[in-house]
Amino acid sequence: DGGITQSPKYLFRKEGQNVTLSCEQNLNHDAMYWYRQDPGQGLRLIYYSQIVNDFQKGDIAEGYSVSREKKESFPLTVTSAQKNPTAFYLCASSDGGQTGELFFGEGSRLTVL
Amino acid sequence: QQQVKQSPQSLIVQKGGISIINCAYENTAFDYFPWYQQFPGKGPALLIAIRPDVSEKKEGRFTISFNKSAKQFSLHIMDSQPGDSATYFCAASGQGGSEKLVFGKGTKLTVNP
Repeated sequence: DGGITQSPKYLFRKEGQNVTLSCEQNLNHDAMYWYRQDPGQGLRLIYYSQIVNDFQKGDIAEGYSVSREKKESFPLTVTSAQKNPTAFYLCASSDGGQTGELFFGEGSRLTVL
Repeated sequence: QQQVKQSPQSLIVQKGGISIINCAYENTAFDYFPWYQQFPGKGPALLIAIRPDVSEKKEGRFTISFNKSAKQFSLHIMDSQPGDSATYFCAASGQGGSEKLVFGKGTKLTVNP
């Protein structure tokens, strides 16, 4: 089955700790994305990568970091610099282009205690 | 000018009724308008999309109506079913990849049996 796998599904973190969310895809897509979803706020783009070893900031990149060492993997680190990290995080991939369908994972819910 | 305004925020419809969700945009460079459907605890999935060269697109019970002059587009769900209960996001983009996609804030649809 082709798709996007995100882990963990639920994560709890103490204030001041960094946490890394995993995203793996087997769709052979070049482009990968991280979105943040808050209630009533829609989907906001954190970072995206159109090719291995390259990534770009989205609209709300502050306090987050990413890497793209392999085509299949695009992990997101939520750093202690992120002021309000509690949210639902969604990873997606597409085969590129304006009308490239976004394929989303099932999300990771991060709660900061 | 990059916003996509979606309404209503929530919608309750009886089984068999018509659900209507509206979106408005300002950026006249937008020329691709997808709708994504998200079930609780899952990632969004592409439902239907339209380009402004047509005023309507229908796929089964789902129809997008597009009014270019008013800069508005809407999703109509005919014969709404309890299984349609989900959050729906409209989105829009101009030239570029999926990283240019701007999402509305979402509409939570509940279809009562």
